[in-house]
Amino acid sequence: KQEVTQIPAALSVPEGENLVLNCSFTDSAIYNLQWFRQDPGKGLTSLLLIQSSQREQTSGRLNASLDKSSGRSTLYIAASQPGDSATYLCAVFTGGGNKLTFGTGTQLKVEL
Amino acid sequence: EAGVAQSPRYKIIEKRQSVAFWCNPISGHATLYWYQQILGQGPKLLIQFQNNGVVDDSQLPKDRFSAERLKGVDSTLKIQPAKLEDSAVYLCASSLGEPGINIQYFGAGTRLSVL
Repeated sequence: KQEVTQIPAALSVPEGENLVLNCSFTDSAIYNLQWFRQDPGKGLTSLLLIQSSQREQTSGRLNASLDKSSGRSTLYIAASQPGDSATYLCAVFTGGGNKLTFGTGTQLKVEL
Repeated sequence: EAGVAQSPRYKIIEKRQSVAFWCNPISGHATLYWYQQILGQGPKLLIQFQNNGVVDDSQLPKDRFSAERLKGVDSTLKIQPAKLEDSAVYLCASSLGEPGINIQYFGAGTRLSVL
């Protein structure tokens, strides 16, 4: 059974700091990995999707890496801003590519 | 394009009562998902539909939870009777349902409080 863990569970940083969120999964037989953002009272917003054949994806200040063999992914956020405050979830695609297993999330707070 | 619509946004009930949630997926999306997200945890898949057929309901507590997707469009999720541990956000998502990678688009969710 696939299990996805995220560390740390919560993180508070000053504005402008670069930071790394970690995600690990127990079964390396994944199709893809996706990072989401969740704001309070709202649904999930997809940030980045990394295909199993890729090692990283970039979008603006966000960079996600994937190491399937070690069962790890990281989300790097450069020059953090207060608007980045949210819960970040990673999820792995299994079961033919359409079943998402989510991690426990990292709650990020960026302070002025 | 319109996103995934869910209603109600909030619901408060007492234990042993019944409750139903409604989801309208993005037009043309064949696959529909219901997730349960307990506070402090990631979403957990309850049931997945492909058109109006069930693909995966292995984590649905079938003694109290039921879901249907009539005509392969809208879906309802019902809990009867509710327990305290059912307090959670219920998220609906949809995807195209084509072979290969299928991005899931999420609704805002329904927050259920069972007292």
